[in-house]
Amino acid sequence: QSVLTQPPSVSAAPGQKVAISCSGSSSNIGDNYVFWYQHLPGSAPRLLIYEDNKRPSGIPDRFSGSKSHTSATLAITGLQTGDEADYYCETWDGTLTAAVFGGGTKLTVL
Amino acid sequence: QVQLVQSGPELKNPGASVNISCKASGYTFISHAMSWVRQAPGQGLEWMGWINTNDGHPTYARGFTGRFVFSLDTSVSTAYLQINSLRPEDTGLYFCARANIISKVRGIVVWFDPWGQGTLVTVSP
Repeated sequence: QSVLTQPPSVSAAPGQKVAISCSGSSSNIGDNYVFWYQHLPGSAPRLLIYEDNKRPSGIPDRFSGSKSHTSATLAITGLQTGDEADYYCETWDGTLTAAVFGGGTKLTVL
Repeated sequence: QVQLVQSGPELKNPGASVNISCKASGYTFISHAMSWVRQAPGQGLEWMGWINTNDGHPTYARGFTGRFVFSLDTSVSTAYLQINSLRPEDTGLYFCARANIISKVRGIVVWFDPWGQGTLVTVSP
């Protein structure tokens, strides 16, 4: 059971938009930045969003992040087949004094 | 570019030990802590802890104390994860990841970038 809750899977057609939620509590998301990672099977996970809504260089603006209170959302627009991957949210939990990840969401582009 | 390259897959018997390496390049090794993250089969990512590359002090997450050992060889910019007394439930993909840590007034901010490609450890008789 992960500390952060994500839907196990989401799907949408190419060109469409999808949103992946990440729910936590006041000791983690409510008190800290959220980070998002993309993990394509067989590859190293990649930082997608940092500090809730910022994109590292090289990440397309089709990817965006937002946060409200104890929940965060990763939105992907203009879906491409190459976006099929597992997506994870992550933050620091001040009560657990540990980095915590969501359980991951598998994105399928139909 | 900043890169982490891990050692290859391992197949071990229960009770044995395994040592995974993670070689860093493209940045000053001692400037960032190194974290380890596990992905059990069919599961999500789980933070195992980190090691301070300045003084070698490790911090282990709950569930990763006792049999898990983080170490360094700063002369070759390499971090190591050793797992002792292997059990079948240790089977999984192990990632190293550079930890980026910022102190706040209350607590810290931590994110992981970049990551190694992962090392598959299989524990089976």
